[in-house]
Amino acid sequence: DQQVKQNSPSLSVQEGRISILNCDYTNSMFDYFLWYKKYPAEGPTFLISISSIKDKNEDGRFTVFLNKSAKHLSLHIVPSQPGDSAVYFCAASAGSSGSARQLTFGSGTQLTVLP
Amino acid sequence: EPEVTQTPSHQVTQMGQEVILRCVPISNHLYFYWYRQILGQKVEFLVSFYNNEISEKSEIFDDQFSVERPDGSNFTLKIRSTKLEDSAMYFCASSEQAGVYTQYFGPGTRLTVL
Repeated sequence: DQQVKQNSPSLSVQEGRISILNCDYTNSMFDYFLWYKKYPAEGPTFLISISSIKDKNEDGRFTVFLNKSAKHLSLHIVPSQPGDSAVYFCAASAGSSGSARQLTFGSGTQLTVLP
Repeated sequence: EPEVTQTPSHQVTQMGQEVILRCVPISNHLYFYWYRQILGQKVEFLVSFYNNEISEKSEIFDDQFSVERPDGSNFTLKIRSTKLEDSAMYFCASSEQAGVYTQYFGPGTRLTVL
């Protein structure tokens, strides 16, 4: 099942620079997308989300961009900080507005921010 | 800040034994979920639960698995007869209400089946 793909298993950036994490999806029924951050031995921590009716959502240092025609989303972190070093998961959901929706996760990208 | 809690953090069991993993979702949340992550693999959906019944389940969630909300705060996942391949991190999650799709995850229970 490759409905959500994160093709870069790892990314290294310098502190203060921009981190760009990418995610592609194949299921056109997905209408809500989320980014989670995960440290070892912890659960995924919600970062930011975007609905398919938007193409950008910003929250502090984090911005998510959605390109529906390309079925692509990206997470930008500016400026990157060493504490951002973690595995970042892209997730997507589909379904009716009143339903409990399962999340379909990508395989994750390990971000390392170098001091 | 409210959070999802899970107990135990680590459970070791013998193959064939029953295990119950416990979760306390965020108090005003109405939708509850279980996911698992086998080492080196993706986080996978198991089951969702709303209004005291299963909303959706994956093909992983076979007859060996069951979920229950025994009281107003706990949400449990039972595996009746564990197999070696059930070894994984199990995450509970909850979301607030209809139309709000963000799910908040607990810290996970590491299940080791010997």
